[in-house]
Amino acid sequence: SAVISQKPSRDICQRGTSLTIQCQVDSQVTMMFWYRQQPGQSLTLIATANQGSEATYESGFVIDKFPISRPNLTFSTLTVSNMSPEDSSIYLCSVIDRETEAFFGQGTRLTVV
Amino acid sequence: KQEVTQIPAALSVPEGENLVLNCSFTDSAIYNLQWFRQDPGKGLTSLLLIQSSQREQTSGRLNASLDKSSGRSTLYIAASQPGDSATYLCAVNGVDSNYQLIWGAGTKLIIKP
Repeated sequence: SAVISQKPSRDICQRGTSLTIQCQVDSQVTMMFWYRQQPGQSLTLIATANQGSEATYESGFVIDKFPISRPNLTFSTLTVSNMSPEDSSIYLCSVIDRETEAFFGQGTRLTVV
Repeated sequence: KQEVTQIPAALSVPEGENLVLNCSFTDSAIYNLQWFRQDPGKGLTSLLLIQSSQREQTSGRLNASLDKSSGRSTLYIAASQPGDSATYLCAVNGVDSNYQLIWGAGTKLIIKP
């Protein structure tokens, strides 16, 4: 199993600013993902965070808006840039361990005003 | 393309009842299927992981079954309690999806005291 610490748990931000979310895992994992969950919706994959290389983004998500870092196998950050109220969502970090089981952080509840 | 459907979308039952949540998927080429619980505004908690070679998994009052040939999984909750109230999500890890989970829309469960 994997234990994930995600920070911050929630934030209220002004439009036009940026927020960086951190994800720390208690063990080395190859597969790490960032999701967005808009109010009342299921999860949407933003990108796969690749260690030592650029993240792989899903359709509709771009690096300029959601830059991702993955300096090692236990840590990643997601930045939500130039925020607007439409970015208000829960952002979730996830990993898949060697048994192919997925684990999630506690989520970051972002409100943009 | 893999699609995952959860029925019902919402369910409200009195405390103490046994209940079944359903998850169906269109492509049987999967590594595994996983059931999660999500409390409002929070991250996801993994409940049960069923590998493609398994028929069922049990944890306490929860039992999940998998029928890969028919593309179905059920989550059985015995002797429901108000603390079981949450949204339950199933996700499929498909052979062709590069470990990216495909999600159902979830079942919102309310257990009335």
